[in-house]
Amino acid sequence: QVHLVQSGAEVKKPGASVKVSCKTSGYTFTSHDIGWARQAPGRGLQWLGWLSDHNGDTNYEQSLQGRLTLTTDASTSTAYMELRNLRSDDTAVYYCARVAYFESRTFDHWGQGTLVTVSS
Amino acid sequence: QSVLTQPPSVSAAPGEMVTISCSGISSNIGNDYVSWYQQLPGTAPKLLIYDNNKRPSGIPDRFSGSLSGTSATLVITGLQTGDEANYFCGTWKNSLSGGGDVLFGGGTKVTV
Repeated sequence: QVHLVQSGAEVKKPGASVKVSCKTSGYTFTSHDIGWARQAPGRGLQWLGWLSDHNGDTNYEQSLQGRLTLTTDASTSTAYMELRNLRSDDTAVYYCARVAYFESRTFDHWGQGTLVTVSS
Repeated sequence: QSVLTQPPSVSAAPGEMVTISCSGISSNIGNDYVSWYQQLPGTAPKLLIYDNNKRPSGIPDRFSGSLSGTSATLVITGLQTGDEANYFCGTWKNSLSGGGDVLFGGGTKVTV
């Protein structure tokens, strides 16, 4: 059974960095890309980026380029999302999700979410 | 503001049907397939529909999807109180990097 388990809630001050982990199990880690999205309180989903462990390809949401880094550790089947220079409007629940390929791509399994609160 | 447009909310009585639209443009929905996700209160999104109209195993056939031009539709029939949730559409569009960007709709709150 596929599982994506994320690290716990974080509280950070403006200007700090946060790193969220997403440990996967139940499938071959390198066979699927991992995507990340976030959801601010009471808002919809915002895509952040995705990363292919297979070939190292990454793609980031344009507004976050320079502050966002996605990485993976295939030895532990874990993906990481690091966001730097945090601002109050980065407060959100952050999700990782497995990318599945059919006729097109979709996110077929999601982590439980990690609340990141940015507050002075 | 989301690039894919969904109605903020829809409601219907138990047993009835609701339709949720997701409108895009030719460079996104008109160029790739659409997925639908269900987000129950306080939980992570769950895949309901992929490739416009396919259901993952375990998703009941009360949920169906379709695509016409640049507009996708999710239909829920035989509405149940457990269907109260936010529903998001999503698709991919080509990006300068070639890998593709993901677009999500703003979400539609279904009230039963």
